[in-house]
Amino acid sequence: GENVEQHPSTLSVQEGDSAVIKCTYSDSASNYFPWYKQELGKRPQLIIDIRSNVGEKKDQRIAVTLNKTAKHFSLHITETQPEDSAVYFCAASRDGGSNYKLTFGKGTLLTVNP
Amino acid sequence: DVKVTQSSRYLVKRTGEKVFLECVQDMDHENMFWYRQDPGLGLRLIYFSYDVKMKEKGDIPEGYSVSREKKERFSLILESASTNQTSMYLCASSLGVTKNIQYFGAGTRLSVL
Repeated sequence: GENVEQHPSTLSVQEGDSAVIKCTYSDSASNYFPWYKQELGKRPQLIIDIRSNVGEKKDQRIAVTLNKTAKHFSLHITETQPEDSAVYFCAASRDGGSNYKLTFGKGTLLTVNP
Repeated sequence: DVKVTQSSRYLVKRTGEKVFLECVQDMDHENMFWYRQDPGLGLRLIYFSYDVKMKEKGDIPEGYSVSREKKERFSLILESASTNQTSMYLCASSLGVTKNIQYFGAGTRLSVL
């Protein structure tokens, strides 16, 4: 089955700096890669996702890049703000058919210091 | 807005009790999931269901069972609760075959004493 490794497990940055979280996956057939944000005491929510037919996707201050050859993908947050502090999870799955379950990384606790 | 509702935010049960965790979604989603969340271990899939009365084991199914009698409702059952099942349990649902976005419930924090 799929295995997703996520690094780092904790990340502390100053407000305004950039933050990068990296994930690797094992199943070369995976083609859907979402990122979820979980604020303290809240439920995980999707913030951005990418499919394997694109290499990069941006949404305001967040971006995700995908390298299918190397089987890794990354989340980039620019101009970090205190409200970006949360646990971030990457995930991977095969999109379509009966393969709809996500395999999650173990999460990265991001702390943005004012 | 998709709504995934878990029946309890907090539960305290005793070792050996049979425990039911209920989850309801209101968006006619095909797929429903039960995860367990523990610090440093991320989200681990217990069971999922892709149709009424259908279920598949996830990565950590031991000690759990599930029931999906109606499309909107997915129940997680701890047949005989043990202290190592103390955890946060999250339910999620997704639309179907080509839409993998999962929507999560608020979670149930279960303590087994």
